[in-house]
Amino acid sequence: GQQLNQSPQSMFIQEGEDVSMNCTSSSIFNTWLWYKQDPGEGPVLLIALYKAGELTSNGRLTAQFGITRKDSFLNISASIPSDVGIYFCAGPEYNFNKFYFGSGTKLNVKP
Amino acid sequence: GAGVSQSPSNKVTEKGKDVELRCDPISGHTALYWYRQSLGQGLEFLIYFQGNSAPDKSGLPSDRFSAERTGGSVSTLTIQRTQQEDSAVYLCASSFGTSGEQFFGPGTRLTVL
Repeated sequence: GQQLNQSPQSMFIQEGEDVSMNCTSSSIFNTWLWYKQDPGEGPVLLIALYKAGELTSNGRLTAQFGITRKDSFLNISASIPSDVGIYFCAGPEYNFNKFYFGSGTKLNVKP
Repeated sequence: GAGVSQSPSNKVTEKGKDVELRCDPISGHTALYWYRQSLGQGLEFLIYFQGNSAPDKSGLPSDRFSAERTGGSVSTLTIQRTQQEDSAVYLCASSFGTSGEQFFGPGTRLTVL
């Protein structure tokens, strides 16, 4: 199956700092999704990208679908304590019969 | 309720026993997904249902795992003869169509002793 590699694995930042994380795949994706998971809960969709080169924002979050279709990045500006959690990239197989998730980036924000 | 619900929330079982996990998707959602998440890991895709049928069962880890969905709604994931490596959080998600946003349930934490 397809592999999604996320980096960094974890980050420790100060409140107010900007954050950047990325995701690369071994194969082309036609859709990139970014999720956030809080402890004890299921992931929640943050941003969905459907077109190579697309840059999409959701509040302080911005994500881009790489031109090669094999990568995507997520930026968080002016981080706040509630941004703490694990961020996952994900993408579906071409026929949507399977979904692949990265191993996650754990974000810690110090007040 | 408005969201995806899963039951039980926690399940502790002995090695070799069978377990059944249940997922109630959001009403009207045609697609339903099961994932497994081991501690500190990402989500491992298990199976997807469109209506009552699963087009691809190759994501199930072994033949001890099976899943069904009836009436286009509730789904059950059954693990037979559980092993310790089956211990994980099992997450269910549903969406309106395959390209729609997946809404996740809170998961069932399975511990096999």
